[in-house]
Amino acid sequence: DVKVTQSSRYLVKRTGEKVFLECVQDMDHENMFWYRQDPGLGLRLIYFSYDVKMKEKGDIPEGYSVSREKKERFSLILESASTNQTSMYLCASSSFEDRGREAFFGQGTRLTVV
Amino acid sequence: GENVEQHPSTLSVQEGDSAVIKCTYSDSASNYFPWYKQELGKRPQLIIDIRSNVGEKKDQRIAVTLNKTAKHFSLHITETQPEDSAVYFCAAIGNEKLTFGTGTRLTIIP
Repeated sequence: DVKVTQSSRYLVKRTGEKVFLECVQDMDHENMFWYRQDPGLGLRLIYFSYDVKMKEKGDIPEGYSVSREKKERFSLILESASTNQTSMYLCASSSFEDRGREAFFGQGTRLTVV
Repeated sequence: GENVEQHPSTLSVQEGDSAVIKCTYSDSASNYFPWYKQELGKRPQLIIDIRSNVGEKKDQRIAVTLNKTAKHFSLHITETQPEDSAVYFCAAIGNEKLTFGTGTRLTIIP
């Protein structure tokens, strides 16, 4: 059974705090992604990584950074949390084309910034 | 970068009728087009996908068509059932970047 696991289901943080969201996959996937999901806006890509220590900006990277020190782990960092970062955050992983392209999602982290 | 547009944002269909959701993409380098279904409170899951060298793919009641020239692809669900009620997302992959549309909330009316 394939697994993508996010470290928290719910988080409440204060404005200005540094926030870490962790994601771990056990499928030996090369690609990992962080999205935020807001009503009416779909899944917007924040950052993705196609290899250890590699990262690429997505469509809304402002206010976020990422870290990928090991293949199975991809962390999203909110440097100084703000109320407009209150959202559902979803991590996903996938493989390169020759191994199939299906993306598997974590269960999501609902972050509230107060 | 890639831009994926999806229509309609909401769709209500009588049980047993067909539903069609349409997407367009902008990056001609995109070569893989998956569709995901997200039920309430759950994570998105792949329901069907199509590669750029194929025009149509079918899996029981669901089918996807791709027009590479026009950069259009569509999801077709026939004989809709109550369990088809969910949010559906189209997506495109180019250079390993997975970009989603804004989603369609499909409601099946019994």
